[in-house]
Amino acid sequence: ILNVEQSPQSLHVQEGDSTNFTCSFPSSNFYALHWYRWETAKSPEALFVMTLNGDEKKKGRISATLNTKEGYSYLYIKGSQPEDSATYLCAFILDSNYQLIWGAGTKLIIKP
Amino acid sequence: EADIYQTPRYLVIGTGKKITLECSQTMGHDKMYWYQQDPGMELHLIHYSYGVNSTEKGDLSSESTVSRIRTEHFPLTLESARPSHTSQYLCASSAPGTGDYGYTFGSGTRLTVV
Repeated sequence: ILNVEQSPQSLHVQEGDSTNFTCSFPSSNFYALHWYRWETAKSPEALFVMTLNGDEKKKGRISATLNTKEGYSYLYIKGSQPEDSATYLCAFILDSNYQLIWGAGTKLIIKP
Repeated sequence: EADIYQTPRYLVIGTGKKITLECSQTMGHDKMYWYQQDPGMELHLIHYSYGVNSTEKGDLSSESTVSRIRTEHFPLTLESARPSHTSQYLCASSAPGTGDYGYTFGSGTRLTVV
């Protein structure tokens, strides 16, 4: 059974602090890893699609790294702002013909 | 502005009713998906389509059915709703090359069956 684990399940961070959380996936076969941000009452929004071991992608204050050999990806948020409050989902795909396998998400709450 | 539209956003219906959840996209994507999600849980794929007249069941058993008569439209139907169908239903689409591009999601339908 293929599993994607995200930790922690939830996280409270003070505004202005930086934070990071983890997505773990099976390392035996790998095609791509997706990160999404899902704000309450909105649609999940794609942040990054990562395909290469050692990849690092950045979008404003948010960045992500990928280690396919050990099966993990980190998402970093620098200088957290209230608008960063959301659930962050990762999803793994092991082959172009397979579907995304989703983690349960990390719920991030930024305290003003 | 959303390129994929789901209606209704919220729906409360009685047991035994037939319902159709609508999903339409304007991006010309061939691939479309229906996910079911309960609070704090993973998204589970219940149906997908790779093009017109192509539909497949996902990894989560579902009593719903789908159709894909037009590229832009992928409705999901429950013939007889039950309280166990209470959940959030998300529709998504993707460009060619699954995994190369992120999915685009609709805003979801939160269904409550009483």
